[in-house]
Amino acid sequence: SSELTQDPAVSVALGQTVRITCQGDSLRSYYASWYQQKPGQAPVLVIYGKNNRPSGIPDRFSGSSSGNTASLTITGAQAEDEADYYCNSRDSSGNHYVFGPGTKVTVL
Amino acid sequence: EVQLVESGGGLVQPGGSLRLSCAASGFPFSSYEMNWVRQAPGKGLEWVSYISSSGSTIYYADSVKGRFTISRDNAKNSLYLQMNSLRVEDTAVYYCAREDTYYDILTGYYPRYFDYWGQGTLVTVSS
Repeated sequence: SSELTQDPAVSVALGQTVRITCQGDSLRSYYASWYQQKPGQAPVLVIYGKNNRPSGIPDRFSGSSSGNTASLTITGAQAEDEADYYCNSRDSSGNHYVFGPGTKVTVL
Repeated sequence: EVQLVESGGGLVQPGGSLRLSCAASGFPFSSYEMNWVRQAPGKGLEWVSYISSSGSTIYYADSVKGRFTISRDNAKNSLYLQMNSLRVEDTAVYYCAREDTYYDILTGYYPRYFDYWGQGTLVTVSS
């Protein structure tokens, strides 16, 4: 299968920790990357590779993977982290990309 | 500063054509692979097409293969998407995205990711 699956929505209390997961067969072969998207804005890369953050991304964002599951963890969630989060990876052919359906994170 | 600026979106009737452009600046455009990603209103992200740095390798999502053509002009620092036989379901914001990679010494892999995105251009296909 070339699909990635994500929970549609999660909520987290301000300052607490939330983990967003992404599952798919292709994740056994390829790293996932993670994108944050706020309403009306373009996506922003937050995690890539094994666990790398682009310049400017707070260190409360971290990534991990095991088997067919990739995870994005926000440790100490802030109000500004409320957004949609998408995982992305190559598909099983290695020539195409696939996005997960997205997880809406609400910070309470 | 890396900048990607899309243009060319608009309203088109089903079966019509449109050409999107993405003007790149702030980085050596000819050294980077590029992609188009779209997002239908209220929906998630969908990868559309990939082009290598030289333009010699191209891939398309099954949903657009045979109707869309990606190209680039490295002399003009520009990426294009020619969209023909447009359908109502092609209605979306279209983003151009720069692709980057690095060598992961621990795994021997080359993880790939979209590190910069444009602001997007809206394509509406409707009669």
